[in-house]
Amino acid sequence: AQSVTQLDSQVPVFEEAPVELRCNYSSSVSVYLFWYVQYPNQGLQLLLKYLSGSTLVKGINGFEAEFNKSQTSFHLRKPSVHISDTAEYFCAVSEFGTNAGKSTFGDGTTLTVKP
Amino acid sequence: GAGVSQSPSNKVTEKGKDVELRCDPISGHTALYWYRQSLGQGLEFLIYFQGNSAPDKSGLPSDRFSAERTGGSVSTLTIQRTQQEDSAVYLCASSLQENTEAFFGQGTRLTVV
Repeated sequence: AQSVTQLDSQVPVFEEAPVELRCNYSSSVSVYLFWYVQYPNQGLQLLLKYLSGSTLVKGINGFEAEFNKSQTSFHLRKPSVHISDTAEYFCAVSEFGTNAGKSTFGDGTTLTVKP
Repeated sequence: GAGVSQSPSNKVTEKGKDVELRCDPISGHTALYWYRQSLGQGLEFLIYFQGNSAPDKSGLPSDRFSAERTGGSVSTLTIQRTQQEDSAVYLCASSLQENTEAFFGQGTRLTVV
């Protein structure tokens, strides 16, 4: 069975600073990886996904993530954050052979961008 | 519809009562999922439908929880004899086919008092 660990429960950062939200996973088979964002009082929205191919994945709102198979990591990065990026971010993994919608989620990282 | 629709958006119920939560997936999506999000935690998988059948019910926390899907479309999650620990946001998602993106609804916030 797969598992996901988001290493930081809360990340405070100043506006225009870079940010990295860390995610490690565990699985005995190949995986698909996702990052979702949940803005206050809203549903989950897909930021980006890794299915295959290039290990550097670019998503919406200037976010990107890099799949590192040897380190079983999928860290999310943004070079310059905005106040509007304040939200809860979830890393998720699903295994090859299962539907990508059935994912195991991390506990989330709260990103707070301060002016 | 344009997105996954869930109803009601909020539900307050008394302990011991039964509740039904509804999910309308995106038209044409064959797969449908239910997750539960407790306060300050990640998403907990409950059940997955492919068409009208549920090949994976492993996440249902107890026999008080059941779900069905009809016509390959609408799904209902039923919680019988609700308990306070059932209080959470229940999220529904759908996807077009295997290994494609899941789209989430806004969720139903269930409060058991």
